[in-house]
Amino acid sequence: GESVGLHLPTLSVQEGDNSIINCAYSNSASDYFIWYKQESGKGPQFIIDIRSNMDKRQGQRVTVLLNKTVKHLSLQIAATQPGDSAVYFCAENNYGQNFVFGPGTRLSVLP
Amino acid sequence: DAGVIQSPRHEVTEMGQEVTLRCKPISGHNSLFWYRQTMMRGLELLIYFNNNVPIDDSGMPEDRFSAKMPNASFSTLKIQPSEPRDSAVYFCASSLQGASNQPQHFGDGTRLSIL
Repeated sequence: GESVGLHLPTLSVQEGDNSIINCAYSNSASDYFIWYKQESGKGPQFIIDIRSNMDKRQGQRVTVLLNKTVKHLSLQIAATQPGDSAVYFCAENNYGQNFVFGPGTRLSVLP
Repeated sequence: DAGVIQSPRHEVTEMGQEVTLRCKPISGHNSLFWYRQTMMRGLELLIYFNNNVPIDDSGMPEDRFSAKMPNASFSTLKIQPSEPRDSAVYFCASSLQGASNQPQHFGDGTRLSIL
């Protein structure tokens, strides 16, 4: 079946640096994408979303980039802070209500 | 604003016992989802409801699992009898149905341990 993100990488960044978390998706028909943040002991928290008719969307300190040509999604976090340490999931949706979640990327912020 | 509320937060029980997990979705949301999260398999969709009606239960692993949504503000996920391999974190999420491309909002989950 279709899948999003086949690996669970770990990314370590220095506090204050920018972080880039990547996600590969396999369903070219997917039209809506979300990034979630999951802290220990909590549920996934919505960060930012993007529709397939866009290639970039910005939020507060976060930017999502969508490259439909290579089926790639990325989350950029500016000036990474200790509170950004978490597991980040990308999720894709294809005109339905079912999201396919990737395995996640663990972000560790070093002091 | 109140988010998705799940109870209990933690459950430890012996195998063979019945387990009931509870969820209150965000008020006004008419779609509700149950997920299971494990290290090995990540987040898996078990079942979802639209307007209290089960739409897709293909993710429910076995007949030991059942879910109900008697009204718009409450849902249960039941496991009977429970087995050690059911140990996981179970999440409930809700969203607006009918509007395309709406994010799901998650509760903080129930951590289930079957001994």
